[in-house]
This record gives sequence, structure tokens and C-alpha cells, in this order.
Amino acid sequence: KAGVTQTPRYLIKTRGQQVTLSCSPISGHRSVSWYQQTPGQGLQFLFEYFSETQRNKGNFPGRFSGRQFSNSRSEMNVSTLELGDSALYLCASKASGSENEQFFGPGTRLTVL
Amino acid sequence: QQQVKQSPQSLIVQKGGIPIINCAYENTAFDYFPWYQQFPGKGPALLIAIRPDVSEKKEGRFTISFNKSAKQFSLHIMDSQPGDSATYFCAANGGTSYGKLTFGQGTILTVHP
Repeated sequence: KAGVTQTPRYLIKTRGQQVTLSCSPISGHRSVSWYQQTPGQGLQFLFEYFSETQRNKGNFPGRFSGRQFSNSRSEMNVSTLELGDSALYLCASKASGSENEQFFGPGTRLTVL
Repeated sequence: QQQVKQSPQSLIVQKGGIPIINCAYENTAFDYFPWYQQFPGKGPALLIAIRPDVSEKKEGRFTISFNKSAKQFSLHIMDSQPGDSATYFCAANGGTSYGKLTFGQGTILTVHP
């Protein structure tokens, strides 16, 4: 099976712009979670989507949003970008049911200038 | 109550040594404890995971020890190799939040030849 894929891999934006990141989960996985990774804060949970519904949400401002499509692919959007949004954004997918294992993609490196 | 505390921040060992990384958690609803390995420029890769009903789990050279009463768990890497040099993260989840992993701050492991 192919792993989790994320596009684009690298992105440079300026303050005030908005950005959309995409994630395709492992085939058959219906849960997609997003994380932000920075040197200072480490790995922080953003939100989780399952069957097109947001199931869990982390402590991030409303500028961070996401959605999931019927084929389980997910997108996250960050509006009004700030310098502090520069980070590696990681997507992880897991199978439904009792399985907990989350498998991560390679991430999208976002730089805000 | 959602924190997972990881130590040490960095660790240097010689080839063949046994690095040990420790984590402690507070939330008693956590019932799944994975360890991830991350190389520069890559997403975290699931190494090994444990549930509280066992005190130890071994997969290859990687062993998790779990102490439920102390709410602590640790990763041991047997016969460490230079290729094991990476950042290691412990994590936890459980209760109603299986899609949300709470991560430790990470340990940068360097294995010298």
C-alpha cells in the first residue's frame, strides 16, 4: 500500500496570505489528523477528521481550519498567515475501529515571510 | 492533564550502547503509548507501541517498558547503531480521543561509531 502523501512538500508565503495543504491517507483509512511541528512547541495536534466530520480539535485559533472529502482526502487551510505559522505540517492517517496506529506523511514545510 | 513529559532532551552513546528514553504522563484515560522515530526532513515513523495491560514489549532491538502505577514508560534501544541517530518521540492517546496523539518534546539521539 502506498503511504500517506502530502502536497505540496514546500511552500513559501507572505504574512496575511492564506494557504491550503493537502493530504491523501493510506487507502482504506478513514481518519486523518493534522499536526504542527515547530522547534519550540514540538508536535501539536490541530484536528482530526473522520467520515468528513471533525471529530477532535486542538487549541489553535480559528484561522486554522480543515475539511475531509468523501474519498477521505483532507485539506487544511490557514488564513491570514503570521510569521509564527512557519512550521512543518504533518498529516497522519489511521484505520477505523480499535486500531490506534497513526501513520504520518512526509509533511509540508511552510515558511511565512 | 494532557501533558506527556519526555527526557532527556538529547543523548549521546557509543555504538553498541543501550540508550534509554523516558516518558511520564498524567492523564489516566491514556491507554495507548507509541514511540516514533523521525529523521531530518521526514515525517515521524511508528517504531513500537504498548498498551497498559503489559509491562514490556519487544520488537527487534527496540523495547518498551511500562509502569502503570508510576504512569511512566521508556524506550530502550539494544545494540544501538549510528543509523539509529534520529529524534525519538513518545506519545499517548486514549479515551474518546484516539485520533489525537499527545507527544513528548522529543529526544535527539546521536550514536557515535
